[in-house]
Amino acid sequence: DAGITQSPRYKITETGRQVTLMCHQTWSHSYMFWYRQDLGHGLRLIYYSAAADITDKGEVPDGYVVSRSKTENFPLTLESATRSQTSVYFCASSERVRGEAFFGQGTRLTVV
Amino acid sequence: GQQVMQIPQYQHVQEGEDFTTYCNSSTTLSNIQWYKQRPGGHPVFLIQLVKSGEVKKQKRLTFQFGEAKKNSSLHITATQTTDVGTYFCAGPSGYALNFGKGTSLLVTP
Repeated sequence: DAGITQSPRYKITETGRQVTLMCHQTWSHSYMFWYRQDLGHGLRLIYYSAAADITDKGEVPDGYVVSRSKTENFPLTLESATRSQTSVYFCASSERVRGEAFFGQGTRLTVV
Repeated sequence: GQQVMQIPQYQHVQEGEDFTTYCNSSTTLSNIQWYKQRPGGHPVFLIQLVKSGEVKKQKRLTFQFGEAKKNSSLHITATQTTDVGTYFCAGPSGYALNFGKGTSLLVTP
């Protein structure tokens, strides 16, 4: 199906473990983003990508790594998970720079 | 950097009452977007405003962009239970969007 999909939808991991959240879009949008959503903070940008092999930091990048070897995929890796990274993570894509963003359904990550 | 502030943080209304959320930016915006997120869901694009003083309507929703392009509002007339959710404004920031913290609307029948 066309669209933007995230996996897994739910994940529980232990402190110190590495975990990767997947994001796949079928529109061939150039721009992709990772946001985290926490109560009282709204949506905060972690990383974004303007094209394959072009990524840059957002507002809260510490502890996260991204890659974009293919236009359609934009995985987010937590190198060593901490409890403060417990959050809902949204991947989004956009056809135009600063254009309408299409969000995935989110991944709820709990770090114990 | 650019800050986008939204008020109120929460609003509880009776079905049929009107609702307004306000968005203010610390800098002039080239455009502003509005999104709605239903409980347990993901943000969904509602509209983009580009012109100074622009007003757009979508059924019971009215969106305004200020003359100075530093503020915006979303007004819902005669709320319904289907309007429940969090409404976010977002301004462009670099290649991405900078979201306000949102206004959560609760509508009781």
